[in-house]
Amino acid sequence: DSGVTQTPKHLITATGQRVTLRCSPRSGDLSVYWYQQSLDQGLQFLIQYYNGEERAKGNILERFSAQQFPDLHSELNLSSLELGDSALYFCASSGDRGETQYFGPGTRLLVL
Amino acid sequence: SQKIEQNSEALNIQEGKTATLTCNYTNYSPAYLQWYRQDPGRGPVFLLLIRENEKEKRKERLKVTFDTTLKQSLFHITASQPADSATYLCALDGERFGAGTRLTVKP
Repeated sequence: DSGVTQTPKHLITATGQRVTLRCSPRSGDLSVYWYQQSLDQGLQFLIQYYNGEERAKGNILERFSAQQFPDLHSELNLSSLELGDSALYFCASSGDRGETQYFGPGTRLLVL
Repeated sequence: SQKIEQNSEALNIQEGKTATLTCNYTNYSPAYLQWYRQDPGRGPVFLLLIRENEKEKRKERLKVTFDTTLKQSLFHITASQPADSATYLCALDGERFGAGTRLTVKP
């Protein structure tokens, strides 16, 4: 158990809908990362937050947004969902140096 | 553009042998490189980190080398066991991940 929690575990929704994925980092970790993993794309970095502020941005679509709250939990919002958004979404957290990331169990999103 | 390549999608070896996985990258100079293990349907688990000024790092049966001239890292598992069967990912600076190599260790 990495200490990172993600909810929900599974999510089934329809195209055009909007969903919110939630992540709680390990106790004491200030950084939260979001990744998307699909069969044909591998693990793709989406975005990183550090203590509430956006720190780095990867291949995140404009339809996607994220935030980190004062209690350090983070949410990833996916809107206008398309079939191609079906994937595993992982959250990871790290301490100050950011060199070791601890991944959560993931949220499996299926868009029908 | 930056590219990370892991030598093969799948690698099958016999129990007890040494597994060697390769990670090559282009158009990038990472400060450090990490190796992760991922089991099906689960999040990656951190294994080892090696910095740009380090040539080799070891942890139990694991060994990682880093050649910044060749832009390559090698990941070795010695005395492999069926429990080592998983997908292994390399990552540059914790953000850029390779597609992974699926290792199967046969008894």
